[in-house]
Amino acid sequence: KNQVEQSPQSLIILEGKNCTLQCNYTVSPFSNLRWYKQDTGRGPVSLTIMTFSENTKSNGRYTATLDADTKQSSLHITASQLSDSASYICVVRGPSASNFGNEKLTFGTGTRLTIIP
Amino acid sequence: EAQVTQNPRYLITVTGKKLTVTCSQNMNHEYMSWYRQDPGLGLRQIYYSMNVEVTDKGDVPEGYKVSRKEKRNFPLILESPSPNQTSLYFCASSLSKVQETQYFGPGTRLLVL
Repeated sequence: KNQVEQSPQSLIILEGKNCTLQCNYTVSPFSNLRWYKQDTGRGPVSLTIMTFSENTKSNGRYTATLDADTKQSSLHITASQLSDSASYICVVRGPSASNFGNEKLTFGTGTRLTIIP
Repeated sequence: EAQVTQNPRYLITVTGKKLTVTCSQNMNHEYMSWYRQDPGLGLRQIYYSMNVEVTDKGDVPEGYKVSRKEKRNFPLILESPSPNQTSLYFCASSLSKVQETQYFGPGTRLLVL
């Protein structure tokens, strides 16, 4: 069964500090991996997307890395701000079991990040 | 402003009373999808639509119906809601399944008593 596991489940850090969130997946073959940010009570918003041939992608203070060999990705946040407090969700696109053969998305359960002043 | 809208945002209902959650996007997207989000389970796809009149089941379709009569609208119908359908629901759209940057609506929090 295709799975996406994220760690830690929750994380609390001081404002201004850096942090790294982890995503391990078993989806195979794999098309791309995306990180979403979800503020409390709102829908997820895409941060980065990487295909199997890319090993790093940045979006401002967010940098995602990908190791397709070990099936691991990380999201590094630099100089955290209070507005970074949110859930971060790793999503992997891979094959679907449906008759149409369409690829499907497998979502991780997210890491809840809290930034304290 | 490009956006996905959902209504209502909050809904409390009773078991068996039919309800519809509307979803509309103004980006001329072909692909639309419904998800439910439950604690510890992450987002799970209920139904999706590749285009007008083309819909298919996701991972957890039981108890739900959808329709896609117009490109911009993709309502989620619960014919006979049950307490296990209490959840946070998100509608999402993307230009196409290939392009697949999904834009999510603000969510609908449903409580079935």
